Amino acid sequence: EAGVAQSPRYKIIEKRQSVAFWCNPISGHATLYWYQQILGQGPKLLIQFQNNGVVDDSQLPKDRFSAERLKGVDSTLKIQPAKLEDSAVYLCASSLEEQETFGSGTRLTVV
Amino acid sequence: DAKTTQPPSMDCAEGRAANLPCNHSTISGNEYVYWYRQIHSQGPQYIIHGLKNNETNEMASLIITEDRKSSTLILPHATLRDTAVYYCIVRALGDAGNNRKLIWGLGTSLAVNP
Repeated sequence: EAGVAQSPRYKIIEKRQSVAFWCNPISGHATLYWYQQILGQGPKLLIQFQNNGVVDDSQLPKDRFSAERLKGVDSTLKIQPAKLEDSAVYLCASSLEEQETFGSGTRLTVV
Repeated sequence: DAKTTQPPSMDCAEGRAANLPCNHSTISGNEYVYWYRQIHSQGPQYIIHGLKNNETNEMASLIITEDRKSSTLILPHATLRDTAVYYCIVRALGDAGNNRKLIWGLGTSLAVNP
């Protein structure tokens, strides 16, 4: 089966600019996750969708981060405005039951 | 915070078994032990999970102690491609609220040497 697709693979922006990441999960996977992984740390969950509804966004910095999953399939994660500390890899994952499949991530550098 | 404790790094010779330990002394009765790994510049990859019985698949074996307070992931014949960070995570399944989500620690960086 095709994996979780993410784009872009890399992005460099200046602070205070905005950026968007795109994720296409595995077909039929109802649950979709966005994680932030700072260098040297494990991934941190930002938001979890079940179909197109939000299950958990408790760690999403809602003053600058937003995410949507229209029609319960693809998802976008946006940062506006970006800060230096947002430099990280943003991982998308999807799952059907008991295990998550991850994409390769988008590496964001904020300068 | 992560409910697991792992050594920060380990080395293993190519072709030998790699045994990665994990402590989870506060694990609840409905929580499973999950293992993922992350090869450099890639997303995490699911390896195996179990509740209380030992489990084996094509990638690895998972040995869980009888009291469930610790476990060991075994890669029976490590190759250079097994060099990665290995994460041990405890989580509930089903409708268990926040306990269902993956909370990642720092993992164990395994280096397989030729």
